Amino acid sequence: KNEVEQSPQNLTAQEGEFITINCSYSVGISALHWLQQHPGGGIVSLFMLSSGKKKHGRLIATINIQEKHSSLHITASHPRDSAVYICAVRINTDKLIFGTGTRLQVFP
Amino acid sequence: DTGVSQDPRHKITKRGQNVTFRCDPISEHNRLYWYRQTLGQGPEFLTYFQNEAQLEKSRLLSDRFSAERPKGSFSTLEIQRTEQGDSAMYLCASSLERGGSYEQYFGPGTRLTVT
Repeated sequence: KNEVEQSPQNLTAQEGEFITINCSYSVGISALHWLQQHPGGGIVSLFMLSSGKKKHGRLIATINIQEKHSSLHITASHPRDSAVYICAVRINTDKLIFGTGTRLQVFP
Repeated sequence: DTGVSQDPRHKITKRGQNVTFRCDPISEHNRLYWYRQTLGQGPEFLTYFQNEAQLEKSRLLSDRFSAERPKGSFSTLEIQRTEQGDSAMYLCASSLERGGSYEQYFGPGTRLTVT
């Protein structure tokens, strides 16, 4: 069993839909990251959080430390949101352990 | 542009050849990380440096792999006697560790294809 599990693996949506991507982890962490990866490989950090909730534009990330679960929400999705979204947890040695990613396609 | 840069962006090599990749972190970032990502998977940790010191190496990093950061700035990752299983995207990231700031900034990656 992977230490970081994401669901769903693939997600398609119509423009404007509300999207939720889930991440569960089984190890003790100091922080959780949500990353976005576009075709070609570049990775952009969206959020880093260790408790509660963060919001940036149409993106919202929440974390429940007790339940070892985090969610990434996208409101009013747009085709330009199409990408792979990766959850990664930071453990005590400071390295990141990554989930396998959720491939999101938003159609106009 | 003052982001993390990697060179080359793409490398095609024949099995058995040696390859070397370079990563230039964001200036003044003291931590530098190497990750490997195979198709359809999330990245996997390989190794990381604090300044010039290599602090941790993954078991994924076989004896054919070596990484250096000689002056605490840029880093190189060398793969000797490449194998087809080494084909992957090699990602570099850097961060400034200063009393709790942990955000990692990623480079564009080097895509290695071993034929």
